[in-house]
Amino acid sequence: ELKVEQNPLFLSMQEGKNYTIYCNYSTTSDRLYWYRQDPGKSLESLFVLLSNGAVKQEGRLMASLDTKARLSTLHITAAVHDLSATYFCAVDIADSNYQLIWGAGTKLIIKP
Amino acid sequence: EPEVTQTPSHQVTQMGQEVILRCVPISNHLYFYWYRQILGQKVEFLVSFYNNEISEKSEIFDDQFSVERPDGSNFTLKIRSTKLEDSAMYFCASSGRGRGYTFGSGTRLTVV
Repeated sequence: ELKVEQNPLFLSMQEGKNYTIYCNYSTTSDRLYWYRQDPGKSLESLFVLLSNGAVKQEGRLMASLDTKARLSTLHITAAVHDLSATYFCAVDIADSNYQLIWGAGTKLIIKP
Repeated sequence: EPEVTQTPSHQVTQMGQEVILRCVPISNHLYFYWYRQILGQKVEFLVSFYNNEISEKSEIFDDQFSVERPDGSNFTLKIRSTKLEDSAMYFCASSGRGRGYTFGSGTRLTVV
């Protein structure tokens, strides 16, 4: 059974600080996704990581993938209040018609 | 940019009643999904649909649930006899051969 584990599940940090969210998964996967969710809202795609060593950056967020370690990280640089949200990682499996298996989410609160 | 449309955005129903949640996936996508998210919890896979039939379903997707693509554009999720524990946000998603997902804005189902 594929499991996806995120940590931490809750993170409160000050503006201007750096931090990393970790996502471990238990079996081989084709792709890893990062999503952002604001309270009561839909799932906004942030990054799709397709191969070992993939690194993608958008603004203050950077995601990376190590398929050998089955680990992805989402790094936040110089956090700002607008980045407060819940961040989910998810992986899909080609032989399960690409259904997504989700981590539990990391609730990020950034204080001014 | 193409989007996945879900209606209604919020539905309140009495326990035991039938509900139909509607989705219009992106027109050239081949895979369709329903996911649900109980408030404050992780996103859970319900069902995937490909080539006009269910390709995968989770343990949550029991006999009370069904999906249909009645007219080549809509994709519906029916819950025959709702229970209190069915209260959740339901997300529809579509994908083109597993290469990235587009999620709808969700339907918040409240069973009273």
